[in-house]
Amino acid sequence: QQQVRQSPQSLTVWEGETAILNCSYEDSTFDYFPWYHQFPGESPALLIAIRPVSNKKEDGRFTIFFNKREKKFSLHIADSQPGDSATYFCAANSGGSNAKLTFGKGTKLSVKS
Amino acid sequence: GPKVLQIPSHQIIDMGQMVTLNCDPVSNHLYFYWYKQILGQQMEFLVNFYNGKVMEKSKLFKDQFSVERPDGSYFTLKIQPTALEDSAVYFCASSAKETLYFGSGTRLTVL
Repeated sequence: QQQVRQSPQSLTVWEGETAILNCSYEDSTFDYFPWYHQFPGESPALLIAIRPVSNKKEDGRFTIFFNKREKKFSLHIADSQPGDSATYFCAANSGGSNAKLTFGKGTKLSVKS
Repeated sequence: GPKVLQIPSHQIIDMGQMVTLNCDPVSNHLYFYWYKQILGQQMEFLVNFYNGKVMEKSKLFKDQFSVERPDGSYFTLKIQPTALEDSAVYFCASSAKETLYFGSGTRLTVL
């Protein structure tokens, strides 16, 4: 059972466009939703995260939109740059002492100039 | 940011041999994790610790896997015997709260 679903598997956008990456989850106990990015040959690193008390979180060009009722959240990357090309993983956990992160399968983003 | 040290970076071994992966987490982090990643795809949870004790093992954590904390600081993931399907990049991570800090990974190739 895949608890965090992510789409699309790959995405290509032109420089300056907005890239939209989508995730959904099933476990209602999840209360923390981060996005990690991973450049080729490197380890994943936290990009931005949100908790269900908010439906939107912004950090520069990166915005998370969160819909608790539909159990969906998305990452919008505005004014995409070639340097944004990477694999993006959404994730979720339910906190507590077992702070295990469950990751989606990832979206490989390519930004063309 | 905080550094998680992971060695070796690469390991090539023959099927059936034993391999030990090592990870030194951030010193004040109480949470510790091992993840497996194949071909840059999904990060698959293997096992996690809280304050040095195992909290959960996933279905991927086969009987051939074992985890230890030899001297109370660094962690090891041992696979004995190894199988072809164990070829992957193994990442360790640690955290104080929700933000995981990953090591640079060990690329394991089982021939």
